[in-house]
Amino acid sequence: IAGITQAPTSQILAAGRRMTLRCTQDMRHNAMYWYRQDLGLGLRLIHYSNTAGTTGKGEVPDGYSVSRANTDDFPLTLASAVPSQTSVYFCASSVRRGNEQFFGPGTRLTVL
Amino acid sequence: AQSVTQLDSQVPVFEEAPVELRCNYSSSVSVYLFWYVQYPNQGLQLLLKYLSGSTLVKSINGFEAEFNKSQTSFHLRKPSVHISDTAEYFCAVSGPGGSNYKLTFGKGTLLTVNP
Repeated sequence: IAGITQAPTSQILAAGRRMTLRCTQDMRHNAMYWYRQDLGLGLRLIHYSNTAGTTGKGEVPDGYSVSRANTDDFPLTLASAVPSQTSVYFCASSVRRGNEQFFGPGTRLTVL
Repeated sequence: AQSVTQLDSQVPVFEEAPVELRCNYSSSVSVYLFWYVQYPNQGLQLLLKYLSGSTLVKSINGFEAEFNKSQTSFHLRKPSVHISDTAEYFCAVSGPGGSNYKLTFGKGTLLTVNP
């Protein structure tokens, strides 16, 4: 692994289903982030984690949850998916919050 | 609170022409500034950054940006663009705010380079 990996690459999901997007980094960065990218809206921060064991809410946290059990992994869970959560999701990390961020390749999620 | 405004959502240019992508920010404290590039179907990559020191920063592929504190701007320029520069470009700002260092992105500018 080099950098940040995300899985799955893409997913089609029925509304109401639970889904976890996975994110792993091997750079030993303290901070990690989840964004969603929608046409015309740019990137919006969903949740972040300053360090392992801590998480915080971003601009659009409703309907999403995260955990940070260790430094490397930062999964994003949609407890009950809705069509408005159709988006491209990017995970990112930085040495600490506020520094330059390194992005994963993204997960394209479609909720029907 | 801080915010970023990218003044153009789309910029079409011809190959070998110069280009400027405009970015203005607002913040009540000192800032760090970034430009990221996103090629089609890929994640974002850091293009260049201003943290301190010289106000003119350059990337390895010919882009440059100048931090202008009085105009609160960080415009991105390239004197001669290539087809391969076609991508979406995002300006971002972060700054100290107690424990709340936050990176705020603009909505992006789609640069299309035509032959």
